[in-house]
Amino acid sequence: GQNIDQPTEMTATEGAIVQINCTYQTSGFNGLFWYQQHAGEAPTFLSYNVLDGLEEKGRFSSFLSRSKGYSYLLLKELQMKDSASYLCAVRALYGQNFVFGPGTRLSVLP
Amino acid sequence: GAVVSQHPSWVICKSGTSVKIECRSLDFQATTMFWYRQFPKQSLMLMATSNEGSKATYEQGVEKDKFLINHASLTLSTLTVTSAHPEDSSFYICSARDRRDRVWTDTQYFGPGTRLTVL
Repeated sequence: GQNIDQPTEMTATEGAIVQINCTYQTSGFNGLFWYQQHAGEAPTFLSYNVLDGLEEKGRFSSFLSRSKGYSYLLLKELQMKDSASYLCAVRALYGQNFVFGPGTRLSVLP
Repeated sequence: GAVVSQHPSWVICKSGTSVKIECRSLDFQATTMFWYRQFPKQSLMLMATSNEGSKATYEQGVEKDKFLINHASLTLSTLTVTSAHPEDSSFYICSARDRRDRVWTDTQYFGPGTRLTVL
């Protein structure tokens, strides 16, 4: 089966650093994706990991450990506009659909 | 690049009517498009996978006759909600894969979504 787990909600302060965790158990693995979704809008692509390690993109970094079935998204220098839901998605096989986690709603407070 | 559009962005209809939602890849050809449904404060639930020129593959629990999917070209897929009822009210999002993407960069590009309200 496919199971992806994320914390439901998180709160952080503007300027701080926050780490959103994602654990997964899937029948196969061919990549893990992070998306940001503001309320009422479509998800936008943030990052992609297929090999173990850290991928950095500006204020956002994503880490993957395939042996542990674990990933995290790290957001630095938080801004108010970062308040959104963050979705972790796993692709079991290349070319196949993604399985999305429940999403983590992040609230950034002043 | 990699822009996906959806039309309409929102629609209100009466119970029992049918609604068609279009998903277009504007600057790339999409071999595969996906249709998702998202209820408030919930994650995306895949409804079906649409491949150009072939029948869509529906996820378990999704009625094929109620949610008709047509993928007539490499840039257009349509979802028709037939005989819509209030419980079909939701946010419908499509995504597309770029046929040029290589294995390591393959991702899905999402449309802006269509909010359907059935009265």
